[in-house]
Amino acid sequence: GAGVSQSPSNKVTEKGKDVELRCDPISGHTALYWYRQSLGQGLEFLIYFQGNSAPDKSGLPSDRFSAERTGGSVSTLTIQRTQQEDSAVYLCASSRGGETQYFGPGTRLLVL
Amino acid sequence: GQQVMQIPQYQHVQEGEDFTTYCNSSTTLSNIQWYKQRPGGHPVFLIQLVKSGEVKKQKRLTFQFGEAKKNSSLHITATQTTDVGTYFCAGLHSGTYKYIFGTGTRLKVLA
Repeated sequence: GAGVSQSPSNKVTEKGKDVELRCDPISGHTALYWYRQSLGQGLEFLIYFQGNSAPDKSGLPSDRFSAERTGGSVSTLTIQRTQQEDSAVYLCASSRGGETQYFGPGTRLLVL
Repeated sequence: GQQVMQIPQYQHVQEGEDFTTYCNSSTTLSNIQWYKQRPGGHPVFLIQLVKSGEVKKQKRLTFQFGEAKKNSSLHITATQTTDVGTYFCAGLHSGTYKYIFGTGTRLKVLA
């Protein structure tokens, strides 16, 4: 595709429910990143993938967060038993490994 | 741990005035990138600096990478209302593809 796409664009859920966020990177980009951005704040690194493997998961806030990437392409970020503090914009970016990161539009998650 | 600090956090300028944001890393960086995020938008890549002491220009924007590769700056000459947004630096540490983003500088330009 022309750019990084993310779905859904907005998600409202109830506390305790699980959510799954999807990222479709630019074709051919080997590196994929997930970040979290709270309102008016900076970008918090969550995880990155090189191909299908995740060498660095150090940014995942808790064991309720997990991510996977299949076929070196699509990635999903799953948040189990959502909490109100999980409310934020979740941004995905892809790159050719260490170069320009192209960001998707983000998924705005609101946990009630 | 690896940290990237950015100052100032906020900057309000009159249109036509200059603006500078500074980025400082606790450790040496392989390279540094700069991004701009408009209100309600997502970060958009501006530039990447790789070499020690490197200076790059894009029209009214001047980017510098420090000699020790631990700090960087973005300078905007004669700001315009279109420059409004938050500017982030992102540092890459050796042997990793993990970028650490700075805290961002939110620029407001008053017409």
